Amino acid sequence: EMRLVESGGGLIQPGGSLRLSCAASGFTVSSNYMSWVRQAPGKGLEWVSVVYTDDSTSYADSVQGRFTISRDNSKNTVHLQMNSLRAEDTAVYYCAAEGSGTYYVWGQGTLVTVSS
Amino acid sequence: DIVMTQTPLSSPVTLGQPASISCRSSQSLVHSDGNTYLSWLQQRPGQPPRLLIYKISNRFSGVPDRFSGSGAGTDFTLKISRVEAEDVGVYYCMQSTQLYTFGQGTKLEIK
Repeated sequence: EMRLVESGGGLIQPGGSLRLSCAASGFTVSSNYMSWVRQAPGKGLEWVSVVYTDDSTSYADSVQGRFTISRDNSKNTVHLQMNSLRAEDTAVYYCAAEGSGTYYVWGQGTLVTVSS
Repeated sequence: DIVMTQTPLSSPVTLGQPASISCRSSQSLVHSDGNTYLSWLQQRPGQPPRLLIYKISNRFSGVPDRFSGSGAGTDFTLKISRVEAEDVGVYYCMQSTQLYTFGQGTKLEIK
């Protein structure tokens, strides 16, 4: 069974940093485009970042320069380093695996709350 | 950036009746490889999103055949032939032709 499990969320003050992790099982992250998607409370889905199979990356304008996505093939894990956090970054962060041009595996999500 | 617009934003439906959700993109979703990367996702209350349909009309593994997708270019539709209680939730269209964007979501509820 293909599975993604996120961790690392929590309460953080504005301006702080947090590192999210996404552990995969049942498939290898190195063979898939891997993304982070977030959902603010009561709102819709917003794509955040992707790491491609060639290790290149892309970011949404809203997080460009503050967030960094990376992949650890040895641990079959994807990370999202989030710096300079703002209140508007408060959301559930989902990890998703892409295949056939779509997100076919989703994690359960981890909640990030940015507040003083 | 490609903008995805869904209608309606809310859809009250009677059990056993059909439902339809439309999604329009601000530009064509036909990729240079010839595929159209338009997907439909379902998010039940308190749950993560779940893939229903990919590349316009392909049902994902385990998705009931009462769900179907259609469309081309910039206009797409998700249809549920007979709504069941477990279909309650929010439905999103998503494009992955040029990075990724989601529609605003359509809330399906039972009358």
